[in-house]
Amino acid sequence: GDSVTQMEGPVTLSEEAFLTINCTYTATGYPSLFWYVQYPGEGLQLLLKATKADDKGSNKGFEATYRKETTSFHLEKGSVQVSDSAVYFCALSDGSTSYGKLTFGQGTILTVHP
Amino acid sequence: GAVVSQHPSWVICKSGTSVKIECRSLDFQATTMFWYRQFPKQSLMLMATSNEGSKATYEQGVEKDKFLINHASLTLSTLTVTSAHPEDSSFYICSAGTSVDNEQFFGPGTRLTVL
Repeated sequence: GDSVTQMEGPVTLSEEAFLTINCTYTATGYPSLFWYVQYPGEGLQLLLKATKADDKGSNKGFEATYRKETTSFHLEKGSVQVSDSAVYFCALSDGSTSYGKLTFGQGTILTVHP
Repeated sequence: GAVVSQHPSWVICKSGTSVKIECRSLDFQATTMFWYRQFPKQSLMLMATSNEGSKATYEQGVEKDKFLINHASLTLSTLTVTSAHPEDSSFYICSAGTSVDNEQFFGPGTRLTVL
């Protein structure tokens, strides 16, 4: 079946550091890929998505590129802020949207210090 | 917009009792609601999908008689954990969506501890 593997956390960075959170997937067909973010006490929020190979999703300075050849969707940000501290989940859907069954990675806790 | 709430946010109960968790879409009508379960340091696992007015569709391995789901209206779905046992202790998360938005919106989760 489908699966998503994220790098283990927690990840601790200083403000303005470069962020990478690795995500690889196993799926049949052509899944859509997503990054969700969960701030303390809140529900998961869609951060960005990509629906086909070589697509780049971007939002709030975060980027991730759908790499079919390496089955990866790594999350990057050039300069993190304290407000980026949260839990980040990589996920896939066998459809073109997130409205359906989602398969999640285990989540990566990010802490950014001033 | 697109806010989903859960109640309660945490609950402690004795083994053998039943616990009901509510999931509400506050500012939109959700044709579909999803229920997930999350163990510590593990991913969210989809338990079931429910459409308003229909029986829920459970994922393989999820006991439908153990985890009762009711989606009685377009803004409310409930998950009842029946005869709870310590192994049912977990973080339960719901999400809600519509085919118009083509997106799921997540609640903040409910922490269940069964003693």
